[in-house]
Amino acid sequence: EAQVTQNPRYLITVTGKKLTVTCSQNMNHEYMSWYRQDPGLGLRQIYYSMNVEVTDKGDVPEGYKVSRKEKRNFPLILESPSPNQTSLYFCASSFYPTLPGQGSEKLFFGSGTQLSVL
Amino acid sequence: KQEVTQIPAALSVPEGENLVLNCSFTDSAIYNLQWFRQDPGKGLTSLLLIQSSQREQTSGRLNASLDKSSGRSTLYIAASQPGDSATYLCAVMNEGAQKLVFGQGTRLTINP
Repeated sequence: EAQVTQNPRYLITVTGKKLTVTCSQNMNHEYMSWYRQDPGLGLRQIYYSMNVEVTDKGDVPEGYKVSRKEKRNFPLILESPSPNQTSLYFCASSFYPTLPGQGSEKLFFGSGTQLSVL
Repeated sequence: KQEVTQIPAALSVPEGENLVLNCSFTDSAIYNLQWFRQDPGKGLTSLLLIQSSQREQTSGRLNASLDKSSGRSTLYIAASQPGDSATYLCAVMNEGAQKLVFGQGTRLTINP
């Protein structure tokens, strides 16, 4: 089954304790991205990656790191979490055609990770 | 900077009605536009994707239209059902950029 898998689903941690949220997709997608969703602010992009070893900042990258060493994995790293990073996080992936008609860029989302930083 | 607006924020209609959800964006230089559905506590599911060169896309009871020049898109849902109750979000990707900008969504309730 085609899917984007995020782990963990729920995470409670304390300020300053490094954590990693994993994301894996089995669709051989080039494009992967992380978002956070907050009430009243909607979905905001944190980082994205066009392919292996190619990453770039989204709109709210401060306090986050990512890596793309393999095509299927795109972990989100919080080196020193703070309470303002309490949020619902989503990973997503899509095909990225280089020529028209090669495929659809429909975005597939994971089920989300609810993070609470105390 | 691209801004995406969805009005209304919430909508409640009786089962069986046809309805239209609206999405507007400030920068018409878009690469594509997607409509998503989000159920409470769940991730987003892509419903329809419209390329900038297209005017509309259809899937079952859903039809999405795009008017780039006026910065508008609509999602038409025919013969609504209680199972259509969810939050619907639109998102645009600008030309030359790989960032997706989301609207805040319309929370739709279909009453039996």
